Amino acid sequence: NAGVTQTPKFRVLKTGQSMTLLCAQDMNHEYMYWYRQDPGMGLRLIHYSVGEGTTAKGEVPDGYNVSRLKKQNFLLGLESAAPSQTSVYFCASSSFGSGRQQYFGPGTRLTVT
Amino acid sequence: AQSVTQLDSQVPVFEEAPVELRCNYSSSVSVYLFWYVQYPNQGLQLLLKYLSGSTLVKGINGFEAEFNKSQTSFHLRKPSVHISDTAEYFCAVKIKAAGNKLTFGGGTRVLVKP
Repeated sequence: NAGVTQTPKFRVLKTGQSMTLLCAQDMNHEYMYWYRQDPGMGLRLIHYSVGEGTTAKGEVPDGYNVSRLKKQNFLLGLESAAPSQTSVYFCASSSFGSGRQQYFGPGTRLTVT
Repeated sequence: AQSVTQLDSQVPVFEEAPVELRCNYSSSVSVYLFWYVQYPNQGLQLLLKYLSGSTLVKGINGFEAEFNKSQTSFHLRKPSVHISDTAEYFCAVKIKAAGNKLTFGGGTRVLVKP
């Protein structure tokens, strides 16, 4: 099993450009999450999904959109990138049930100039 | 809303010495507690978790943590570190009755010196 994979690994965008980050998991997990990691701030939840076709806002959702058309995929979109969105983005997934651990992807390093 | 504070942003330690990473949380309701490790240029992986039962939890790679409800703490310890333990460590909490969302602390970077 590949676990959680993310595409791309690195990306540089100019301010105002758009892009989509793809997350895929092969563990048949119901829940999926997008986080951003910034120095000294740990990981902050952007959006999450509790099942195919459903999404919800996390702690820092502004400037991002998500979609979960298939159970195994969770897409994160930036419609108009800003320098404040320079960060490392992590996707995670977990099975249904209280206390289940989250499994993380390797991350995408995004720089917005 | 819950919050997590990791009191040390960086901890330098010599190889074979013990290390303790401190984590305090605030929550008015019951929580689950986790420690994750992030090796350089990698994603996070679970070290250990506390769900219920014994307050001393043992994890992978010789790490353990103790849940202290009265002090709302979940400190991580290892009696003897290796160079390979150089990484960033994150404490996280999840409200028991509120889905599966995690709240992370700011992280503690451990640098093991030879």
